[in-house]
Amino acid sequence: KAGVTQTPRYLIKTRGQQVTLSCSPISGHRSVSWYQQTPGQGLQFLFEYFSETQRNKGNFPGRFSGRQFSNSRSEMNVSTLELGDSALYLCASSLKTSDTDTQYFGPGTRLTVL
Amino acid sequence: SQQGEEDPQALSIQEGENATMNCSYKTSINNLQWYRQNSGRGLVHLILIRSNEREKHSGRLRVTLDTSKKSSSLLITASRAADTASYFCATGTSGTYKYIFGTGTRLKVLA
Repeated sequence: KAGVTQTPRYLIKTRGQQVTLSCSPISGHRSVSWYQQTPGQGLQFLFEYFSETQRNKGNFPGRFSGRQFSNSRSEMNVSTLELGDSALYLCASSLKTSDTDTQYFGPGTRLTVL
Repeated sequence: SQQGEEDPQALSIQEGENATMNCSYKTSINNLQWYRQNSGRGLVHLILIRSNEREKHSGRLRVTLDTSKKSSSLLITASRAADTASYFCATGTSGTYKYIFGTGTRLKVLA
């Protein structure tokens, strides 16, 4: 079974631009979560989607948004990029049939904002 | 802010030795998971332990959970150079649909 895939793997943007990252979960997984990883703040939860519904959102500004499609693929968007948005963005999928489902992570998208 | 704090932040050992890292958290959880991350890549799931479990084993890994102390430990026995990585704990709470990650322990295993 193919793992979680994320595209693109690397991105370089300039301040003020916007960016869209994509995540394809493991086949059959209906929950997709997004995390931001930076050296200073570590791994921080962005949001979680299940069956196209956002069920939880982390403490990030409204510039960060996401969505999930009917095939469970998910995208996240960051508008008006700031230097501090430079990070590794990780997507994770799970079956989410219970609260104790294992999350499987993709390789991440490395975003650099200049 | 992160719920989990991991200790130590960095650990350097010789190949063949055991490595122990600890994770503390602040609120009630229903499960705790450990992950490994190599050089800024994606996270690899190692083991999940539920709140009603006290110990779990998987190969060379042993995880314990003490909910009264809100802490967990990960023991890697007979470490190998390939175990060099950062290790994170992540806690899940019923109904929140998210995991809170710890600060991580950077493990270096010297050949």
